[in-house]
Amino acid sequence: GQQVMQIPQYQHVQEGEDFTTYCNSSTTLSNIQWYKQRPGGHPVFLIQLVKSGEVKKQKRLTFQFGEAKKNSSLHITATQTTDVGTYFCAGFSGTYKYIFGTGTRLKVLA
Amino acid sequence: DVKVTQSSRYLVKRTGEKVFLECVQDMDHENMFWYRQDPGLGLRLIYFSYDVKMKEKGDIPEGYSVSREKKERFSLILESASTNQTSMYLCASCRAPGELFFGEGSRLTVL
Repeated sequence: GQQVMQIPQYQHVQEGEDFTTYCNSSTTLSNIQWYKQRPGGHPVFLIQLVKSGEVKKQKRLTFQFGEAKKNSSLHITATQTTDVGTYFCAGFSGTYKYIFGTGTRLKVLA
Repeated sequence: DVKVTQSSRYLVKRTGEKVFLECVQDMDHENMFWYRQDPGLGLRLIYFSYDVKMKEKGDIPEGYSVSREKKERFSLILESASTNQTSMYLCASCRAPGELFFGEGSRLTVL
């Protein structure tokens, strides 16, 4: 079945360092979404990418969707303690099913 | 704001008990989902529903059933709870394929 792999599983960074998490799908996706889950919280939608090669920015966060629509990345510039949490990608292939990656847990050391 | 409400934040049940987890959304969303979240495994889809009385199996439906009698309510049922069903259960909803809105989660412990 369809799988979405996400790496790394954990990342510890010093405050101010950059951070990147990557997602790879076994199949071509219609779109990909990114979610953030704060410790003790529930996933909250960040963004959706639809077009091949699309790049979107939200302040310090940059999201990319690969040309083949099978991979995506989230890059955070100059991390802050408020960025702590687990970041999930979710691939959608047009069957009402969102397949979530395993998540990357980010810890930011002040 | 969209609100997805799960009936219980924490439950403790015994092996073999029947467990109901309820989810209600207030934004008239067609699509509703049940996921379970386990450390290192991310969110895995149990069941989803794209309309009243319609349901589709997700990736891990074994040991679970669902009910959607009304558009706003999607229930997850564990007919006979087992210890390997100890987990965090997350309900979500969306209109057309798009942003998923999640509930706060229900942490189930099966003893």
